[in-house]
Amino acid sequence: EVQLVESGGGLVQPGGSLRLSCAASGFTFSSYWMHWVRQAPGKGLVWVSRINSDGSSTSYADSVKGRFTISRDNAKNTLYLQMNSLRAEDTAVYYCASGGSYLYAHWGQGTLVTVSS
Amino acid sequence: NFMLTQPHSVSESPGKTVTISCTRSSGSIASNYVQWYQQRPGSSPTTVIYEDNQRPSGVPDRFSGSIDSSSNSASLTISGLKTEDEADYYCQSYDSSNQVFGGGTKLTVL
Repeated sequence: EVQLVESGGGLVQPGGSLRLSCAASGFTFSSYWMHWVRQAPGKGLVWVSRINSDGSSTSYADSVKGRFTISRDNAKNTLYLQMNSLRAEDTAVYYCASGGSYLYAHWGQGTLVTVSS
Repeated sequence: NFMLTQPHSVSESPGKTVTISCTRSSGSIASNYVQWYQQRPGSSPTTVIYEDNQRPSGVPDRFSGSIDSSSNSASLTISGLKTEDEADYYCQSYDSSNQVFGGGTKLTVL
């Protein structure tokens, strides 16, 4: 059974940093693209970032480019999102998802990031 | 950048059929695959349709997807509605530089 478990969310002040993790199991992690998708409270889904299977290719939404960095450790079956210069509008539940370059086959349960003073 | 536009909400009775549309603002809907995700209240999204009209294993054949180039839109059709189908539904597509979700449609089964 595919499992994706996010962690690392919490309350952070504007301008602060957080690193999210997503632990994967039940599938060959190193064979799949991975994504981060976020959902602000009461709002819709927004794609944030993606990384290819070996970590050599990444891309970002314009809203986070230059502030967020996606990475992965295939030896640890773990995906990361380093978030710097956080803003109030980054407040959301962050989901990791596995799949292809353009689709999200499996989703984690999400981790809440709150940016507030 | 393109946008995907969905109706905010739809409602229908159990046993009936409902169709949710997703219109692409620029670029051809047929150029890039469309996916559909279901999100029940308090839960993570799950895939109900991928690559325009493919169902993942475990998704009942009451769910179907299609695209219409004349209206530049995709559609999700759910037949034989059940109360458990009540959820938010999101379409999603992409181009060379962006991955885009529609705003979501709240389906009420009453």
